[in-house]
Amino acid sequence: KQEVTQIPAALSVPEGENLVLNCSFTDSAIYNLQWFRQDPGKGLTSLLLIQSSQREQTSGRLNASLDKSSGRSTLYIAASQPGDSATYLCAAEWANNLFFGTGTRLTVIP
Amino acid sequence: NAGVTQTPKFQVLKTGQSMTLQCAQDMNHEYMSWYRQDPGMGLRLIHYSVGAGITDQGEVPNGYNVSRSTTEDFPLRLLSAAPSQTSVYFCASSVEAALFDEQYFGPGTRLTVT
Repeated sequence: KQEVTQIPAALSVPEGENLVLNCSFTDSAIYNLQWFRQDPGKGLTSLLLIQSSQREQTSGRLNASLDKSSGRSTLYIAASQPGDSATYLCAAEWANNLFFGTGTRLTVIP
Repeated sequence: NAGVTQTPKFQVLKTGQSMTLQCAQDMNHEYMSWYRQDPGMGLRLIHYSVGAGITDQGEVPNGYNVSRSTTEDFPLRLLSAAPSQTSVYFCASSVEAALFDEQYFGPGTRLTVT
């Protein structure tokens, strides 16, 4: 069974700090990996999509990396802001199925 | 564009009742899917469709039916609701059938079955 794991489940950091969120997956034959943001009571917003042939993607203060051989992806957030507080989910795709981790709940303290 | 819309936002059902959760997108996306989100379990794929007239099962399809008669709409039917189906349901869509594009999610439907 394909599994996606995110550790830690929750993280609190002071404003301005750089941080890394971790995602691991069991099968290296993924098609792509996506990072999402979910605000309380809301749907998911796609942040970054990394194709299986890519190593990283960047958008503004966000940088996501992918290492298929080790089954890991990281989301780097630079200069964190209180508005970054949300739950961050990673999802890996195998053959038309998207498998999600349970997320990391991030709190950025002003 | 309205993006992906879902109705209703909230619903309470009694065990054994039936209902349909509606999902529509106005982006002409081929791929649409339904997920449920439960505490501690992440999102799990229920059913998906790679285009009008084509549907397939995901990870947790039991108790749910779907159909795709148009590109825009992808309703999810619960024929006989059970308490185990209490969850938040999300509909999503993407451009390509092969899921090589980012997923766009609706705002969700919170369903409680008593």
